[in-house]
Amino acid sequence: GESVGLHLPTLSVQEGDNSIINCAYSNSASDYFIWYKQESGKGPQFIIDIRSNMDKRQGQRVTVLLNKTVKHLSLQIAATQPGDSAVYFCAENHGANNLFFGTGTRLTVIP
Amino acid sequence: DTEVTQTPKHLVMGMTNKKSLKCEQHMGHRAMYWYKQKAKKPPELMFVYSYEKLSINESVPSRFSPECPNSSLLNLHLHALQPEDSALYLCASSLEGGLAGTGELFFGEGSRLTVL
Repeated sequence: GESVGLHLPTLSVQEGDNSIINCAYSNSASDYFIWYKQESGKGPQFIIDIRSNMDKRQGQRVTVLLNKTVKHLSLQIAATQPGDSAVYFCAENHGANNLFFGTGTRLTVIP
Repeated sequence: DTEVTQTPKHLVMGMTNKKSLKCEQHMGHRAMYWYKQKAKKPPELMFVYSYEKLSINESVPSRFSPECPNSSLLNLHLHALQPEDSALYLCASSLEGGLAGTGELFFGEGSRLTVL
């Protein structure tokens, strides 16, 4: 079975609100996680990554939080914009860039 | 140039046809990948080439045959496919492969394959 999954398949937020997308994993030895965004008709696009020696990492309008105790990570998007509408995947690096993608959450931003 | 270019964007083929998907990058990346993505599903890794050598083959049927002519090019040769092989085939590249690699892959827009 999948070792990386998401709590919710869809998420709708109002433009300007913050979005939180969650992801769970089962392998406690996992040490590197990546978030990707896939817009309709396009390939996935790297957003941000985090290694297990960190709890939090920030990018431009995005923050990834890692809770190793409960094997959970989240992607927070500040001031969500219509261009943020996409499917978001968390991915686990199984080593040698063998990425295992979770099932994905479709984020819809309501204008 | 920060793009991964895939051709063709769309391909329709019969089960007896032989066709190829092509991928090109000019970012100097040393690792290239083929992923398969079915509708409403996550990408699934098929093959990884690192420094032009096949490093990962995720138990892909032999009707899919990858080829890496040089560090900028990656092909996927298709023969005797089945209708269930219809999917979006994504090519990606990364700066490094193997244990030196990070998780930052650059994906192309994919080749949408329909097998009749």
